[in-house]
Amino acid sequence: DAGVIQSPRHEVTEMGQEVTLRCKPISGHNSLFWYRQTMMRGLELLIYFNNNVPIDDSGMPEDRFSAKMPNASFSTLKIQPSEPRDSAVYFCASSRAGGPDQETQYFGPGTRLLVL
Amino acid sequence: AQSVTQPDIHITVSEGASLELRCNYSYGATPYLFWYVQSPGQGLQLLLKYFSGDTLVQGIKGFEAEFKRSQSSFNLRKPSVHWSDAAEYFCAVVLNNNDMRFGAGTRLTVKP
Repeated sequence: DAGVIQSPRHEVTEMGQEVTLRCKPISGHNSLFWYRQTMMRGLELLIYFNNNVPIDDSGMPEDRFSAKMPNASFSTLKIQPSEPRDSAVYFCASSRAGGPDQETQYFGPGTRLLVL
Repeated sequence: AQSVTQPDIHITVSEGASLELRCNYSYGATPYLFWYVQSPGQGLQLLLKYFSGDTLVQGIKGFEAEFKRSQSSFNLRKPSVHWSDAAEYFCAVVLNNNDMRFGAGTRLTVKP
């Protein structure tokens, strides 16, 4: 299995620009999670989907952030407009409900975002 | 408040020495418990997990962890550390409905 795939791996942009992060979960997984990691706040859950439906977006910082999951194999996290304080590593993770591996989240390599 | 605590921000051990990383949680019920490792510039890799049953669980790379209900702990151990184990280690719990909470992490430095 290819694991969770994220793109791009690195993104440098200027304040005010739109940023789109992409994630492909592990095939067969039905839950998908977006996290943000910073030195100050550690790992924070932003939003998660179950069967392509957003379940909990309470961690999304503000209206500038939005996430979609149009199908079981693709999700995006968009920041518009971006700000320097959005600079962080953004991780996508996926898991499968049921079975011995349930609740186990597998992480992608992350996208390092720098907003100048 | 419900939380996951990793008391040690940074630990340094000599190569070949034993290692124990501490993790405590404060939840009413027994959650699912995990340890992840993150190498610099990399994502999080699952080391091991505990759901139920035998309280001593074996993971990858020679790691093991023991769940102690009475102490609300899930400490990670390795009998002999290798230089390649230098990384950041995260303890995590899942309560229900995919709600995963992470500790702040423990950074491991390995001395030659």
